[in-house]
Amino acid sequence: DIQMTQSPSSLSASVGDRVTITCQASQDISNYLNWYQQKPGKAPKLLIYDASNLETGVPSRFSGSGSGTDFTFTISSLQPEDIATYYCQSGVYTFGQGTKLEIK
Amino acid sequence: EVQLVESGGGLVQPGGSLRLSCAASGFTVSSNYMSWVRQAPGKGLEWVSVIYSGGSTYYADSVKGRFTISRDNSKNTLYLQMNSLRAEDTAVYYCARDRVRGASYYFDYWGQGTLVTVSS
Repeated sequence: DIQMTQSPSSLSASVGDRVTITCQASQDISNYLNWYQQKPGKAPKLLIYDASNLETGVPSRFSGSGSGTDFTFTISSLQPEDIATYYCQSGVYTFGQGTKLEIK
Repeated sequence: EVQLVESGGGLVQPGGSLRLSCAASGFTVSSNYMSWVRQAPGKGLEWVSVIYSGGSTYYADSVKGRFTISRDNSKNTLYLQMNSLRAEDTAVYYCARDRVRGASYYFDYWGQGTLVTVSS
């Protein structure tokens, strides 16, 4: 089974900061890596699919990159409404542990 | 507009059963892959089960043999029958639509979730 290792588990940043989260797969998954945002008490929301494709309606400050085993999710300029937990997911239904993002 | 609405959650004793429903609108359940994903209190996301458009079903090892995913095409509704429930099955259960692109699977629409609590 593919394992997904996401880091960091929590992150504190200031409004306007550039924020980066990484996800590592235990084996080559090509570009089959997706990113979700989950706000407290809400369902997850798809942000990025296939490593770097922005889902329709998602702000352009969100981006993703990577292939093979190493992937990166970036928020170019953190906004207050971005406070949430972010999850990566491999293309075979395995989720990372999540990164809780807080405002400093 | 695509919408998924779960129902059927509640408090059940260990060893008991529960059936969750997910009513879909804005698309046809039987033409899509549909999954259940759960989240234990304060924990991360765990995929539970999927039903393919062709009818094939797959389960996480943690629920295999106890849970059954199905759908009613006439009602455009997805189900999850949960038997032999354990305390560790306590979670919010989400239904989600799978978008499939080749070998890539991801969830583009989610319901609001329904809470299942297994406790005596």
